[in-house]
Amino acid sequence: AQSVTQPDIHITVSEGASLELRCNYSYGATPYLFWYVQSPGQGLQLLLKYFSGDTLVQGIKGFEAEFKRSQSSFNLRKPSVHWSDAAEYFCAVGPTGGFKTIFGAGTRLFVKA
Amino acid sequence: DAGVIQSPRHEVTEMGQEVTLRCKPISGHNSLFWYRQTMMRGLELLIYFNNNVPIDDSGMPEDRFSAKMPNASFSTLKIQPSEPRDSAVYFCASSLETGWDEKLFFGSGTQLSVL
Repeated sequence: AQSVTQPDIHITVSEGASLELRCNYSYGATPYLFWYVQSPGQGLQLLLKYFSGDTLVQGIKGFEAEFKRSQSSFNLRKPSVHWSDAAEYFCAVGPTGGFKTIFGAGTRLFVKA
Repeated sequence: DAGVIQSPRHEVTEMGQEVTLRCKPISGHNSLFWYRQTMMRGLELLIYFNNNVPIDDSGMPEDRFSAKMPNASFSTLKIQPSEPRDSAVYFCASSLETGWDEKLFFGSGTQLSVL
């Protein structure tokens, strides 16, 4: 069965420090992978997506993610975190039949001054 | 474009009452999704429509939940009767359905509290 695992429920980093959020997936075919961000009181917004080609993808707000097929991972990174990056981040994989996208449980990012 | 519009933003009701959540997808989008978000279960897909037709409602928790999409610009999610365990944030999302990698556009959600 298809699934997405985000091992870290929450992460705290200092402003200016680097960030890596982990995501592992289980999928029978070539996955379509996404990272979404949810700010408090808001819906989810797409940060970046991977379909094929270069395994390092660039997204909005200075985020990037690297697809590693051998590790079934799609980790999100940012070299220098800003206080405004504090939010919840969701990794997702799709489609899993029709247009269904499966989301991970999310990782909440806290940024300290 | 105004994005996906959901109403109301907040709904507080008493157990047993009927609740109707509304969604206006982005104009031109062919697919519409209803998600429920709770701390315990995360983001769950309840149902999705393609060209106004329900494609998969296997995520609908029980018969108290129903969803309709009478036209391309409007959808409702109804809970009747509501129960305290239905308290959650309900999101509507839409997509263009032009490709398998098409991203979802989310509304701001409806925070439902059933007392």
